[in-house]
Formats: sequence, C-alpha cells, structure tokens
Amino acid sequence: AQRVTQPEKLLSVFKGAPVELKCNYSYSGSPELFWYVQYSRQRLQLLLRHISRESIKGFTADLNKGETSFHLKKPFAQEEDSAMYYCALFSGGYQKVTFGTGTKLQVIP
Amino acid sequence: DADVTQTPRNRITKTGKRIMLECSQTKGHDRMYWYRQDPGLGLRLIYYSFDVKDINKGEISDGYSVSRQAQAKFSLSLESAIPNQTALYFCATSVGTSEQYFGPGTRLTVT
Repeated sequence: AQRVTQPEKLLSVFKGAPVELKCNYSYSGSPELFWYVQYSRQRLQLLLRHISRESIKGFTADLNKGETSFHLKKPFAQEEDSAMYYCALFSGGYQKVTFGTGTKLQVIP
Repeated sequence: DADVTQTPRNRITKTGKRIMLECSQTKGHDRMYWYRQDPGLGLRLIYYSFDVKDINKGEISDGYSVSRQAQAKFSLSLESAIPNQTALYFCATSVGTSEQYFGPGTRLTVT
C-alpha cells in the first residue's frame, strides 16, 4: 500500500524566514511525487512535480529515495505563500494518487 | 481552472435525503475523480473513473455511488445522507497519470 505523511498540520514562520514543509512517503515502486497548493477560497492547483525539477514561486522540492522524502522548501517566505499545501504520490502500479493530510503554512508579517 | 465545474457549490440537506453532486469538464480528460476534504484528514479518494465504462472504488466509497454519464460528466450520489458526510467535496480530472485539475469544490452540510 502507498502512504503519504505530512507530520505538521500547521507551520508558522515569519516573513523572510526559510520554509520547509515535510513530506514522507511509502511505496515499493518508483513514485511520482507532487506538491499541490490551495490558497484561501481557491481550488487546489499543482505547485510542482519532482520529475520536472523546476522552481515555482521560489519553491523547490527534491526527491530523496533513500529517506523516502519530498520536502518542499523556500529560502524566504512571503505573506502570499500562506496556504494549505498537500504532498501527493502517484503510483503507476495502482494508477491513482494518494494525498497527504496537508500542512497549513502561515507566514507572519 | 474554470474547465472543471461543480454544482451545486453549497448545499444543506437533512439526514436521510438523497443528494447528487455533479461535475463537468471541458478539458477532454479521460480520468475523473471524487475526493472529500476534511480538516486534519486531508483529501481522501471516494471514487475514480478512467473512462465511461471503468469506475473504481477509492478508499472511502461506503455510502456513496457514482455515475459517469459521459466522458465530460461524473456525478457523485449520497443515497441516504448522514451528518458525518458533511465535508468539502472536490472533483478532479487528469489525462493518464499526469497532473490533476480540480474543480472549485462543493460544500455539503448534512443536518
């Protein structure tokens, strides 16, 4: 079975401070990992995926297969980053996506 | 993304009533999904469909049923609503195994 764990329900940081949202997964195969973001009163939208190795809105995430992690990082938090963040795993074997429980990021001015 | 729409956006209903939530998409995607979102529990998959003739249960399908009327339409039904089905419901679509596109959500309250 596949599982995605986001240990923090709420993460509060000051504006300008570094941010790290944790995500760990368990899956026996080769996973595809994603980060989705949900801003207040908006629908979920894709933030980034590990296969594209891109930086979106200053966020990056590296897949660490040894630690089975896909943590989301940003060097300097902005107020507009305040949102709910979901880590998600797509498994080719089960052909479906499993979401973590989400972490609410609160950036304090 | 306005290409995935959900109706109604808000609904209050009583215990025991039958209710249907509808999802439509103009993206031409083959796959459609229904999730519910609860505080502290994140997004949980209810049902998913890879095409009109392929419907699969997710992790929390009990108490729910679905219908894929066409490639563009995927409806979720609660045959006899109960209070613990109060949640935010999201529809999503995807092409194959790629990124999922979400609808705006339906806030359902069962009293």
